[in-house]
Amino acid sequence: AQRVTQPEKLLSVFKGAPVELKCNYSYSGSPELFWYVQYSRQRLQLLLRHISRESIKGFTADLNKGETSFHLKKPFAQEEDSAMYYCALSGGQGAQKLVFGQGTRLTINP
Amino acid sequence: DVKVTQSSRYLVKRTGEKVFLECVQDMDHENMFWYRQDPGLGLRLIYFSYDVKMKEKGDIPEGYSVSREKKERFSLILESASTNQTSMYLCASSLGQPLSLHFGNGTRLTVT
Repeated sequence: AQRVTQPEKLLSVFKGAPVELKCNYSYSGSPELFWYVQYSRQRLQLLLRHISRESIKGFTADLNKGETSFHLKKPFAQEEDSAMYYCALSGGQGAQKLVFGQGTRLTINP
Repeated sequence: DVKVTQSSRYLVKRTGEKVFLECVQDMDHENMFWYRQDPGLGLRLIYFSYDVKMKEKGDIPEGYSVSREKKERFSLILESASTNQTSMYLCASSLGQPLSLHFGNGTRLTVT
């Protein structure tokens, strides 16, 4: 079974401080991991995916298969990063669905 | 840019009513999905479809059904609405693999 756990419902940091949003998964095969973000009054949108190994808006995430984690990190938080963040997993090639975590609401304090 | 449009932003229905939530995408995507979004529970998959007239149950299909008569349209049906179906409903679409989903704005349904 596929499962995604985001242990923090709420996370609050000061502007300029580092940010780490945690994501752990359970899956027996080779997963594909994603981070989605929902800013206030906007639709949910893809932030990044592990296969791209890219940095979007200063965020990066590394897939750690040993620890089954895909934590989202940014070295210096900005106020516009305040949003709801969801980690998601699909079961790799041929997968038909995406399983989401419970979400973490990130608040950046000025 | 992909556009996923959900017909209603807010909907208020009474217990026992039959409710239709409509979703249309304009990019010829094969896959379409219905999720519900609840605080503390994240997004939970209700149903999905990978082709016209095809449908698959997600993790919480009970009390719901779907229809996909045309590739661009995916409808979610609540046969007899109940108060525990009060939620935000999100439609999404994707083109093949990997599953990078494009979401609609959501429909906030209140069942009284």
